[in-house]
Amino acid sequence: EPEVTQTPSHQVTQMGQEVILRCVPISNHLYFYWYRQILGQKVEFLVSFYNNEISEKSEIFDDQFSVERPDGSNFTLKIRSTKLEDSAMYFCASSEDRGQGHQPQHFGDGTRLSIL
Amino acid sequence: DQQVKQNSPSLSVQEGRISILNCDYTNSMFDYFLWYKKYPAEGPTFLISISSIKDKNEDGRFTVFLNKSAKHLSLHIVPSQPGDSAVYFCAASKGSNYQLIWGAGTKLIIKP
Repeated sequence: EPEVTQTPSHQVTQMGQEVILRCVPISNHLYFYWYRQILGQKVEFLVSFYNNEISEKSEIFDDQFSVERPDGSNFTLKIRSTKLEDSAMYFCASSEDRGQGHQPQHFGDGTRLSIL
Repeated sequence: DQQVKQNSPSLSVQEGRISILNCDYTNSMFDYFLWYKKYPAEGPTFLISISSIKDKNEDGRFTVFLNKSAKHLSLHIVPSQPGDSAVYFCAASKGSNYQLIWGAGTKLIIKP
């Protein structure tokens, strides 16, 4: 069964450094998403991406964050000048176009980001 | 943000019996609801969904019920199996391909 893959599984970074989290969505999916889960808290939406542009973003997704689809397979989340409170599990997801009816989002196994 | 609530942090069920997980929501704009299962160190795995035009959707051992007037949905697992032990998340959105709003999760433990 096709799956979403995320790398690395664990990233440790010094506060203030930039970090890039990588995702390979399911190949025929057109919508891509990033979520995060801070330890002990709910899963939170960050951003969705369609047709090479952001389609929806949350208040969390400020100027510190950016997303990119650098080629036909990868989808990245960049966090500039990381802060301690950025430590969380980051999940990438993808889904088919809603033109096919309601489509569930499928998730990768996440990247655990630890900011020191 | 309490738009989606799962009030039971944990639930213990005997193997072979029915597991019922509950979820409440407050936003009447939600029209698509999903259940995900999550094992430790893995991402959420999609289980089953329902759109607001239906009140029931079934897939094998899993059935989701939606009561729009009560803003309540439930997931039934029959019969429960040891491999069902996981954290179950309810999520909702205002349509397909929109952001998911998540509940806090319910940890289901299936006892042999």
